[in-house]
Amino acid sequence: SQQGEEDPQALSIQEGENATMNCSYKTSINNLQWYRQNSGRGLVHLILIRSNEREKHSGRLRVTLDTSKKSSSLLITASRAADTASYFCATDGGGNDYKLSFGAGTTVTVRA
Amino acid sequence: DAGVIQSPRHEVTEMGQEVTLRCKPISGHNSLFWYRQTMMRGLELLIYFNNNVPIDDSGMPEDRFSAKMPNASFSTLKIQPSEPRDSAVYFCASSKGLLNEQFFGPGTRLTVL
Repeated sequence: SQQGEEDPQALSIQEGENATMNCSYKTSINNLQWYRQNSGRGLVHLILIRSNEREKHSGRLRVTLDTSKKSSSLLITASRAADTASYFCATDGGGNDYKLSFGAGTTVTVRA
Repeated sequence: DAGVIQSPRHEVTEMGQEVTLRCKPISGHNSLFWYRQTMMRGLELLIYFNNNVPIDDSGMPEDRFSAKMPNASFSTLKIQPSEPRDSAVYFCASSKGLLNEQFFGPGTRLTVL
């Protein structure tokens, strides 16, 4: 079963708007990662946030992590058409369980 | 850096045939992962290696699937015999250490008729 679940399943926004998607997971983790996948391509790593971190930024991306609620959010600010993609969160199983489990993803469409 | 290299990019075969997918990880990466992606099941981890040693193959769906990593720069995923339900995109990824960011290859799209 999938460890992480993203919400919403799909999101459509206007260029320049912000996009927020959430991820919930079930067990303790070492890290939580966010990846992007453009149609027909491999996944591209965006951000890794460790379990002892609460917030992380990378360019227009902001990730938060709340381990008490077992949830994370990814915010894309000032979206561009090129941000159109599917976004996945991925979590390990914590401790020595290094298997990465991916959620079903959020499909983001940015309208020009 | 060329990134993770996978071959072939597309494979069409008939049920019962043997299929071999190949992966060359990024030089210097010591962890390698094989994933399968389908619409129904999403992205699933099949097996991963650390320092060429298989660590966890619990995601391999059946004995028809096998994977090897004979050296640090090459890995194979073999399906024998293949079945139509094996049709999927198979990704290889590599990383420096098991808990770090993974770099994905472009994938092999497998169609079993």
